[in-house]
Amino acid sequence: EVQLVESGGGLVQPGGSLRLSCEASGFTFSSHWMSWVRQAPGKGLEWVANIKQDESEKNYVASVKGRFTISRDNAKKSLYLQMNSLRVEDTAKYYCAREGVPYGRDVWGQGTTVTVSS
Amino acid sequence: QSALTQPPSASGSPGQSVTISCTGTSSDVGGYNRVSWYQQYPGKAPKLLIYEVSKRPSGVPDRFSGSKSGNTASLTVSGLQAEDEADYYCHSYAGSSYVFGTGTKVTVL
Repeated sequence: EVQLVESGGGLVQPGGSLRLSCEASGFTFSSHWMSWVRQAPGKGLEWVANIKQDESEKNYVASVKGRFTISRDNAKKSLYLQMNSLRVEDTAKYYCAREGVPYGRDVWGQGTTVTVSS
Repeated sequence: QSALTQPPSASGSPGQSVTISCTGTSSDVGGYNRVSWYQQYPGKAPKLLIYEVSKRPSGVPDRFSGSKSGNTASLTVSGLQAEDEADYYCHSYAGSSYVFGTGTKVTVL
């Protein structure tokens, strides 16, 4: 079964750090671009970052540039999001997603929740 | 990068059609044929319905169709069913980044 499972969410104070993980199974992880997408409580979806198969290209939404770093380990079939200098407005459920069709995210995890609060 | 503009809500009776618009700019929707659409139920992960403006992944009913004209993309749901009641989001490539729409809640009357 094709599956993505996120972990690493939790409660953190403003200015703190957190590392999210996403473990893939059921498909050739190394063949796909991967993305992080977030959704604040009661709000819409926001694309956060994506990464090419060989890590040679990484892109970020402006609001997280310089604070978040996307990475992957193809041997471990895992995607990561290192989040530093967290702000209250980063509070959201974070989803990892596979780009399995051109410019479309066809497989999604169940999400992991990040709460930034003092 | 500003969110793409969608109507907050849309509705229709079972069997009718509903069309959701998604308006961007020449830097995103209008500049590329790289618009996708997602369906999301409350508390669930999004599901891909359409990619590259009008292509359907396997398993998505042909009741769902996409199109684009200029800076506006559209999703049409034909033959509305009760299970189509959900939130819908458009999503566009914007040159090394991506942007989602504001979302539309579809209600089946």
